[in-house]
This record gives sequence, structure tokens and C-alpha cells, in this order.
Amino acid sequence: GAVVSQHPSWVICKSGTSVKIECRSLDFQATTMFWYRQFPKQSLMLMATSNEGSKATYEQGVEKDKFLINHASLTLSTLTVTSAHPEDSSFYICSARGGQAINQPQHFGDGTRLSIL
Amino acid sequence: EDQVTQSPEALRLQEGESSSLNCSYTVSGLRGLFWYRQDPGKGPEFLFTLYSAGEEKEKERLKATLTKKESFLHITAPKPEDSATYLCAVPRHSGTYKYIFGTGTRLKVLA
Repeated sequence: GAVVSQHPSWVICKSGTSVKIECRSLDFQATTMFWYRQFPKQSLMLMATSNEGSKATYEQGVEKDKFLINHASLTLSTLTVTSAHPEDSSFYICSARGGQAINQPQHFGDGTRLSIL
Repeated sequence: EDQVTQSPEALRLQEGESSSLNCSYTVSGLRGLFWYRQDPGKGPEFLFTLYSAGEEKEKERLKATLTKKESFLHITAPKPEDSATYLCAVPRHSGTYKYIFGTGTRLKVLA
């Protein structure tokens, strides 16, 4: 149980392209989803938190217009990297948490490796 | 300030050589501590939740324990397939309970 699917797993595209990443909770309803960015040999850096049907909350320093997040249903959140540039190349990971209790763990997708040429 | 620190940063073990990973935390009122395993190029995989001091949980060769200041992940007779980065995290006191992550311990088990 508690499976989170993330697609695509790997994207290579040209500078200036917009890229959409999907995160789905397959067997539970995710009241909250999180988007992270991870650099090599570093821990996860939280970018934003989203609740179904409401606007995402972005961490300090994360550009809202660059990283568009939509959480349209209890099982799907999307991250769109708009007009991507080489500095946006990274490993992006989503997670989902079911329920409101603080002791509910986050369950993570397998990440998306984004390479901007 | 809430903080989570993991040690050691990296650990190399021979197959069968038991050891422990440490996760120290300073948060105002612990509301749970989570352990994850992350393989290269993958997202973290949930291992354990610990709620209160004195609690222990086991899964195969892994055993997690919790005190009021730290958590240990004990690895008994590790195998090469246990090689991974182990992360601990605690939730912040906020409406969404987002995580404070430790920097992780990179474990390498040699055959």
C-alpha cells in the first residue's frame, strides 16, 4: 500500500521548453502533496506544499511563476517547470501524505531527472 | 531553531558487520520521527515511524529506536543490498507538518 507514482522518470529538453511532471497517489487519497528538489549527494530541499483544491505554498526563494503547481484532485498533483533553463536541471521528487494526522508519513515517488540542454 | 543532524555522513561496513546510524534532533515537542531509505536515482522509501521515547520498531535486519534526543537505526549483519542512503525526518509544527530532513548517512556494505 501507499504507492506514489511519478512521471516521467527522465526528461531531456531544450532550453525555453516547459516541462510537466505528474505525481499520483495510486492507492490512497493524498490530502497534501509536497515537491522537492535534490542535488547530488545532498538531502531533499522542499520547494512547495500543496493541498487539494487550494493554491500551493512555496518555500522562500522558490519562484512561483517558474514552478507552477496544481493539485486538482486527491490523487494528482502536477509540477510545471516553465521556460526551463540549464540551471533548472535537477532531480525532482514528489511525496504524498494521506490524512491530517501529524504522524502520517509522507510517501515518495521515484523522482524525475530533468536535464535542460 | 528546529534541527535534525545525522551521523556519520558515510559508513562502509563489511558484510555481516553490525553498526548503528544516529539521528539527533532538536524540535519543540516531537510529534514523530520517520526513517527512510533512498537508493541512487530513486525517491525515499518509507521504513519506520517512531512516536515516543522508548519505542522500537524492526524490519528484517533493521531496528529503529527513539530517545528524547535522538534515534538510532541499528543494522544487524548487513548485506550488500542494504547499501543506500538512510534519511531521518521530523515534522515541523505547522498546518501541513512538512519535514525537517537530516542530511543522511550513505551506507556501503562490502561483500
